Amino acid sequence: DSGVTQTPKHLITATGQRVTLRCSPRSGDLSVYWYQQSLDQGLQFLIQYYNGEERAKGNILERFSAQQFPDLHSELNLSSLELGDSALYFCASSTGTANTGELFFGEGSRLTVL
Amino acid sequence: GDSVTQMEGPVTLSEEAFLTINCTYTATGYPSLFWYVQYPGEGLQLLLKATKADDKGSNKGFEATYRKETTSFHLEKGSVQVSDSAVYFCALSDYGGATNKLIFGTGTLLAVQP
Repeated sequence: DSGVTQTPKHLITATGQRVTLRCSPRSGDLSVYWYQQSLDQGLQFLIQYYNGEERAKGNILERFSAQQFPDLHSELNLSSLELGDSALYFCASSTGTANTGELFFGEGSRLTVL
Repeated sequence: GDSVTQMEGPVTLSEEAFLTINCTYTATGYPSLFWYVQYPGEGLQLLLKATKADDKGSNKGFEATYRKETTSFHLEKGSVQVSDSAVYFCALSDYGGATNKLIFGTGTLLAVQP
C-alpha cells in the first residue's frame, strides 16, 4: 500500500460528459502529480501541484484541469470527454523537498468513455 | 526535450532465466534514473534508482548501472521468478526546485513462465 488513495477506481461515462477524479496523497507529501496511461501513448505526465500551487505542466489538454486544495488532496477535472480520453489516470505524491525522484503512486482511476 | 526509450515487449522467459531490459535516455542535464515496476492491477512502485554516472542501483535481485557514456540504464536480473511478471518502466528525473517530475518510457511487459 503506497498510501496514495484514488477514487473512483472505475468510471464509465459518455462522450461530452465531465468527470472528476480525486486523489489523497501520502500523509506529509506536499506534491501531487497526475499521469495518464494509455495503450498507445504509454505513461504521460499531465500536471504537478506543490502545496496548492501549480508547479509543472505536461501534455495536459485544455479540456482538463486540476487543483490542489488546502488539505493537499487534488482533483483532476476532465470535460467534454472524447473516446480517446479513455485511459488509466494515476495520481502520485512525493515530499517535494528532497530531490530523490521517488514518486508514490495510487492504484489509478480507470476511465471508459463510450 | 528529455526522453526515455526502452525495448518493446512482451518479454517472455522461463523461470530462472537471465533478464535484460534495455533502456536509453536523452537528457540535457544530469538526471537521476529509475526503474519502476507495475504489477497487475496495481500502481507503479519504485524498484531501484541511480543518481549519478557509474552508480549501480539494486533491489530484489535486480540491478541497473547508470552509464553516462552510452546514456543507458539497462535492467538485469540473474534468475527471474514467476512473481517477477509485471510491466517495467524506465524513467528519468526532470528536476527544477521542488519538481520531481519523472519522464517514463513506454514500459516493457515481462511474462515469466514456470
